[in-house]
Amino acid sequence: GENVEQHPSTLSVQEGDSAVIKCTYSDSASNYFPWYKQELGKRPQLIIDIRSNVGEKKDQRIAVTLNKTAKHFSLHITETQPEDSAVYFCAASVDTDKLIFGTGTRLQVFP
Amino acid sequence: GAVVSQHPSWVICKSGTSVKIECRSLDFQATTMFWYRQFPKQSLMLMATSNEGSKATYEQGVEKDKFLINHASLTLSTLTVTSAHPEDSSFYICSAILFPGTGNDHINEKLFFGSGTQLSVL
Repeated sequence: GENVEQHPSTLSVQEGDSAVIKCTYSDSASNYFPWYKQELGKRPQLIIDIRSNVGEKKDQRIAVTLNKTAKHFSLHITETQPEDSAVYFCAASVDTDKLIFGTGTRLQVFP
Repeated sequence: GAVVSQHPSWVICKSGTSVKIECRSLDFQATTMFWYRQFPKQSLMLMATSNEGSKATYEQGVEKDKFLINHASLTLSTLTVTSAHPEDSSFYICSAILFPGTGNDHINEKLFFGSGTQLSVL
């Protein structure tokens, strides 16, 4: 089955700096790669996703890149703000089927 | 976007009792729902896939007799934690798929999460 690894587990940045979180997946059949932001005790919130027919997608300060050959994808947050502080999860699935989540990254943005 | 409602949001129970958690798709029909478990500071681990009108598919290592899943209608899946013990204390969360072709193609997001249930077993 699918296995998703995520790094780093914690990330601290200064406000205004960029943050990058990386994930690798094992199942070459996976073609859907969402990123979620989760605050304590809350449901995950989809912040951006990418499908395997696209190499990069951007939405304001957030971008995701996908390298299918290497089976890895990354989340890039630019001009970070304190409200970006949360736990971020990557995930992978075939179509929008059962998601297999990465281990999570706790992002802290210091003012 | 579509809404998935999950109840209760939190529950405290004594060891040995059973707890039922409900997951409802409020404005769409969900033939497939998923149940996840999340321990503190850990990731969401898929427990099972719930299919309307058929038996759930459990992930490896998940006891199907302990975590009973029923998906009797197109809008409701339930997870019952039977004979709960302290080690079952966790955050349980469901998700539902919104399939295309149901008049909702304008919605980019296809997978919707419930609000989660925090279970504490004493």
